[in-house]
Amino acid sequence: GQQLNQSPQSMFIQEGEDVSMNCTSSSIFNTWLWYKQDPGEGPVLLIALYKAGELTSNGRLTAQFGITRKDSFLNISASIPSDVGIYFCAGLTPFQGAQKLVFGQGTRLTINP
Amino acid sequence: GAGVSQSPRYKVAKRGQDVALRCDPISGHVSLFWYQQALGQGPEFLTYFQNEAQLDKSGLPSDRFFAERPEGSVSTLKIQRTQQEDSAVYLCASSLFSSGGAFTDTQYFGPGTRLTVL
Repeated sequence: GQQLNQSPQSMFIQEGEDVSMNCTSSSIFNTWLWYKQDPGEGPVLLIALYKAGELTSNGRLTAQFGITRKDSFLNISASIPSDVGIYFCAGLTPFQGAQKLVFGQGTRLTINP
Repeated sequence: GAGVSQSPRYKVAKRGQDVALRCDPISGHVSLFWYQQALGQGPEFLTYFQNEAQLDKSGLPSDRFFAERPEGSVSTLKIQRTQQEDSAVYLCASSLFSSGGAFTDTQYFGPGTRLTVL
């Protein structure tokens, strides 16, 4: 099935550092979403992007919908311990059922205090 | 307010057993989704309901998987004759509407049911 390529797969950083992760696809998407998943919990939506080129912030998080509609990135500034977790990108394509999300493989973020 | 709840949180089954996983969506949410998340992977779509109608079941891996939402609220995912490859976390999500257009309504996820098949 359709897949999103998310990188890096894992990150080990120091508290206070900035983080950047991205997601690419061979197909275009009309919606990009970024989720965070903590152990034993379901994914929680962080940011939603609906238009190519859109840049959206949510506190220390910033995400962009790529111009080609085939990629997106998420930045986290000044990381803190509660940012630890797994981050997933997800997308909706115009050729599938409108509600079917396709997820990336995730980026596991670990922060050294 | 209450979010999406799922039960049981953990289920251990012997190979060949049938299991039933329950999802209670947020009250009033029209759309309900099931996803399967293998260890170390992102969730993968299984099926989608709008009210009681199952509009998309293209992600169900085999005919051993069956989902229902008879009254348009609670949903049950049933797996017959479980196999070891069915071991995964099964996530349920709900959203208020099903827009069907360029904009989507936020899908709120439950905590999942971790199924282990021995």
